[in-house]
Amino acid sequence: QSALTQPASVSGSPGQSITISCTGTSSDVGAYNYVSWYQQHPAKAPLLLISDVSNRPSGVSSRFSGSKSGNTASLTISGLQAEDEADYYCNSFTSSGTYVFGTGTKVTVL
Amino acid sequence: QVHLVQSGADVKEPGASVKVSCKASGYTFTNLYVHWVRQAPGQGLEWTGTIGPSGRHTGYAQNLRGRVTMTRDTSTGTVYMELSSLRSEDTAVYYCATEPKDTYGGDAKYFDYWGQGSLVTVSS
Repeated sequence: QSALTQPASVSGSPGQSITISCTGTSSDVGAYNYVSWYQQHPAKAPLLLISDVSNRPSGVSSRFSGSKSGNTASLTISGLQAEDEADYYCNSFTSSGTYVFGTGTKVTVL
Repeated sequence: QVHLVQSGADVKEPGASVKVSCKASGYTFTNLYVHWVRQAPGQGLEWTGTIGPSGRHTGYAQNLRGRVTMTRDTSTGTVYMELSSLRSEDTAVYYCATEPKDTYGGDAKYFDYWGQGSLVTVSS
């Protein structure tokens, strides 16, 4: 199972919106609405941001939103803040009954 | 406060085996799937496998099949991941994470709570 494809880095100024893409195949991202997103700060465990493509768990800022079209899912961060500087990973359930992560995106707040 | 508490760092020689543990504090995960995810230094997250509530069902990443074994001790509520025939490329932080139930009682297909990570270093 190949990793889902994400851009290596995305940057934006405070207050701006950025979008991170996550491209898979018809056997994973395109097959189910089981795409989730995780934020990871250096030397910390990942933190769940989005489940089931677009559901935001309680406690997660409304500035984070998710969507999906075909084999590509997206995470949008609006009103970018300094604390959003971190690595972001998508994940999808697959038709093989396994899970696959994205390659990861480093977000830099300029 | 929910915590998944993992075993400490370990150093192993190539060819050896390592066993990492994960136990919940503050809640019970006896009815949940537990997953293991690893992260090599400076690299991304990699799903390695999962174990079901009773321990009877397991699923592993294809590239680790034959070397990885996940078990759980239902009496103590502890989940284990054992990796054998260790290679230098197995050097990583290993995380356990739980998969919650969805609103219909099914398995939700994402990971909500994560352990603090256990660094496994493979070196001669």
